[in-house]
Amino acid sequence: EVQLVESGGGLVQPGGSLRLSCAASGFTFSSYRMNWVRQAPGKGLEWVSCIIGSTGTIYYADSVKGRFTISRDDAKNSLYLQMNSLRAEDTAVYYCARSRDGYSVFDYWGQGTLVTVSS
Amino acid sequence: DIQMTQSPSTLSASVGDRVTITCRASQSISSWLAWYQQKPGKAPKLLIYKASDLETGVPSRFSGSGSGTEFTLTVSSLQPDDFATYYCQQHNSYSWTFGQGTKVEVK
Repeated sequence: EVQLVESGGGLVQPGGSLRLSCAASGFTFSSYRMNWVRQAPGKGLEWVSCIIGSTGTIYYADSVKGRFTISRDDAKNSLYLQMNSLRAEDTAVYYCARSRDGYSVFDYWGQGTLVTVSS
Repeated sequence: DIQMTQSPSTLSASVGDRVTITCRASQSISSWLAWYQQKPGKAPKLLIYKASDLETGVPSRFSGSGSGTEFTLTVSSLQPDDFATYYCQQHNSYSWTFGQGTKVEVK
């Protein structure tokens, strides 16, 4: 059974940093593109970042480029999101999501971890 | 970035109704469109990808159609479990973008 479990969310002040983790199990992690998708309270979904394991190719949404860094450790079946220079508008539930093989759609999601940026 | 616009924003329906949600892209995305269902407090669930391909395990009452810039999600006979918010997502080109969502509520 595919499982994605996020951790690392919490309350952080504007300008602060936070590192999210996603532990994956139930599939060959290294073979799949992995993503972070976020959802602000009461709002819609926003794709944040993607990392392709085989090539190391990384993509970011413009809203986080230069502030967030996605990475992965295939030996630990883990995905990470380092978030720096956090802003109030980064407040959201952050989901770890797997890309369906061959497509840039998200077939498995974690339960999400809440990041709140507030003073 | 490609903008995705869904209509309506809210839809009131009854069990057994045929329901249709529309998603429009700001430029052609061929058939690279997905649909998700999300219930309160839960992660989204993939329903359809490549405009009309049903994800494994999704009931056949869900169907998708369209190409280019206009797409539809249809639920042929709405069931109690289908009251939720639905999102479209273009998977044509980075940066992947979602519609703003359509909430299907009880009439």
